[in-house]
Amino acid sequence: GAVVSQHPSRVICKSGTSVKIECRSLDFQATTMFWYRQFPKQSLMLMATSNEGSKATYEQGVEKDKFLINHASLTLSTLTVTSAHPEDSSFYICSARESGSNYEQYFGPGTRLTVT
Amino acid sequence: QKEVEQDPGPLSVPEGAIVSLNCTYSNSAFQYFMWYRQYSRKGPELLMYTYSSGNKEDGRFTAQVDKSSKYISLFIRDSQPSDSATYLCAMTAGGGNKLTFGTGTQLKVEL
Repeated sequence: GAVVSQHPSRVICKSGTSVKIECRSLDFQATTMFWYRQFPKQSLMLMATSNEGSKATYEQGVEKDKFLINHASLTLSTLTVTSAHPEDSSFYICSARESGSNYEQYFGPGTRLTVT
Repeated sequence: QKEVEQDPGPLSVPEGAIVSLNCTYSNSAFQYFMWYRQYSRKGPELLMYTYSSGNKEDGRFTAQVDKSSKYISLFIRDSQPSDSATYLCAMTAGGGNKLTFGTGTQLKVEL
């Protein structure tokens, strides 16, 4: 149980284009999903918290107009990187917290974004 | 000072060794403590979670929390090469608060 999927696992795009990453909880309902960014050999950096049916809460320093988050259902959240630039190249990981849980987060396998 | 401190390693041990991984923290509000394992280029996998102080054992893994010292540990017995990964501690006050992660300790178990 507690499986979270991400799609795509890897994407290469050209500078200036937009990329959408999907995060799905496969066998549970997730009221809250989280989006993280991870640079090589570094820990996870929380970008935003996404609650189903409401606007995402972004961490300080994260541009909400650049990283668009939509959490339209209890099993799906999407992150769209708009007008991507090479500095946006990174490993993006989502996690989901089961409805009713206080703390456990289950992570997706991550999406490697490369902007050329 | 970071809220959660974790030695990044790398930590290299021979197969069969007992491994001790640790984190210290400064926020006394933290109540829930987790250990995640992350293989290279993969998402973190929840290994253990503990509420408040005490020990919890699951197979070869034991998690310990000492809230009075603000110190948590993960012990791995009979370590295997497949245990080679980065281990991240994480903690939260609960109540829907976000997780705060350590930087992760890179572990390598050698044959």
